[in-house]
Amino acid sequence: DAKTTQPNSMESNEEEPVHLPCNHSTISGTDYIHWYRQLPSQGPEYVIHGLTSNVNNRMASLAIAEDRKSSTLILHRATLRDAAVYYCILIKAAGNKLTFGGGTRVLVKP
Amino acid sequence: DTEVTQTPKHLVMGMTNKKSLKCEQHMGHRAMYWYKQKAKKPPELMFVYSYEKLSINESVPSRFSPECPNSSLLNLHLHALQPEDSALYLCASSQEVGSPGLMNTEAFFGQGTRLTVV
Repeated sequence: DAKTTQPNSMESNEEEPVHLPCNHSTISGTDYIHWYRQLPSQGPEYVIHGLTSNVNNRMASLAIAEDRKSSTLILHRATLRDAAVYYCILIKAAGNKLTFGGGTRVLVKP
Repeated sequence: DTEVTQTPKHLVMGMTNKKSLKCEQHMGHRAMYWYKQKAKKPPELMFVYSYEKLSINESVPSRFSPECPNSSLLNLHLHALQPEDSALYLCASSQEVGSPGLMNTEAFFGQGTRLTVV
C-alpha cells in the first residue's frame, strides 16, 4: 500500500493561512487523497478529499500536484479551534480501510 | 442526525472482568469500524463490519470480540484484558462498502470510550 509522509508539527498564527504538506510519492492511479483531523479529546473528523483536481469546501482547500505525488491541505484563516492533528490518508478504489499515519500536529497561536 | 454515539464515555475494568462497549448510528450506514488509539498515537484499525458481517479483522487478540446485532449497532465485548489494552476505543461508520467504498465518501467517528484496565 502507498504510504504518506507528513511533518510532525507546524505552528501558525491565528487568522493566517496554514499550508499542510503531504508526500505520497508511491500513490497509485486509483488512490483517493483524504484528509481527516482530530481535535483534542475528540474522534477524527473528515475534512476534504480529492483524486486529481483541486477541491474546495467550507473547511479547507486541497491542492493536488499534477503528478499526484504530493498534496497540500490549506486552511485559509486559522482559528484557535483549528488546533488539531491533521492526517493525510490514501484510500484505494472500492477500499474500506481508513489507515491513519503519523499526522501533523498544528498549533495555532493567538 | 450525523452522530455516532459511543457508550460509556469512560470505563475502568479489572483484568478478570467482562464488559462491553456500544456504538450506535442512525445514518443508514452499512459499514462500521472499531479503532484503538493509544496516547499520542494515530488510531489503529481493529475491525470492519460490512452489512452486519465481519469483513476485516486486523489480527486482533481474541479477548476483543466484536458483534454487529443490526445495521445501527456495533458492540465490542471485552474479556480478560491486560493493562496495555488501556486506550481510547473509537467507533466509526460510513455509507458504503465494496464499490465505490470509502474512496468518495466520508467516515463519521464517535467521541470514543476511554478504557482503563487495572
